[in-house]
Amino acid sequence: KQEVTQIPAALSVPEGENLVLNCSFTDSAIYNLQWFRQDPGKGLTSLLLIQSSQREQTSGRLNASLDKSSGRSTLYIAASQPGDSATYLCAGRYVMDTGRRALTFGSGTRLQVQP
Amino acid sequence: DAGITQSPRHKVTETGTPVTLRCHQTENHRYMYWYRQDPGHGLRLIHYSYGVKDTDKGEVSDGYSVSRSKTEDFLLTLESATSSQTSVYFCAISDTGLAETYEQYFGPGTRLTVT
Repeated sequence: KQEVTQIPAALSVPEGENLVLNCSFTDSAIYNLQWFRQDPGKGLTSLLLIQSSQREQTSGRLNASLDKSSGRSTLYIAASQPGDSATYLCAGRYVMDTGRRALTFGSGTRLQVQP
Repeated sequence: DAGITQSPRHKVTETGTPVTLRCHQTENHRYMYWYRQDPGHGLRLIHYSYGVKDTDKGEVSDGYSVSRSKTEDFLLTLESATSSQTSVYFCAISDTGLAETYEQYFGPGTRLTVT
């Protein structure tokens, strides 16, 4: 059974700081990995998706990396802003016994950026 | 935002009653998913669909059934609601995309309370 872990569960940083969120997974047979943002009481917003053949993806101040051999992905946020405060979830896409693909989610890291 | 709506957005029901949640999409995506989100458990897959009348069970399917008679609609039914099914339910959609990414997009969620 695939497991996805995110540590720490919560993080508080001052505005302007660069930060890294961590995601680890137990099964290296990962099809791709997707990072999401969730604001309180809202749905999930897709931020970045990294295919298993890729090493990283960038969007604006966000950069996500994927290292299958070590079972790790990181989400780097540059020059953090109070508006970045949210819960960030990673999810690995795997092929299941049925031959179909599904996401396995981590529990998320709750980020608070202090002004 | 991907065109995904969920109804109702909030519902309070009594133990033992049947409940149906609806997910509607306007993106003509092939794949649809139902998740539940609970503190300490992250998002867990309940059921998913790979096309009209093509559904399969996810990680936590006991006590739930689904139906998909049209591409745009995916219904989740709690046969006889229990307090353990109090949760936030999210619908998601995906399709292969140009690079076969199967990137998932989420609806706004339904908060269900079973008393």
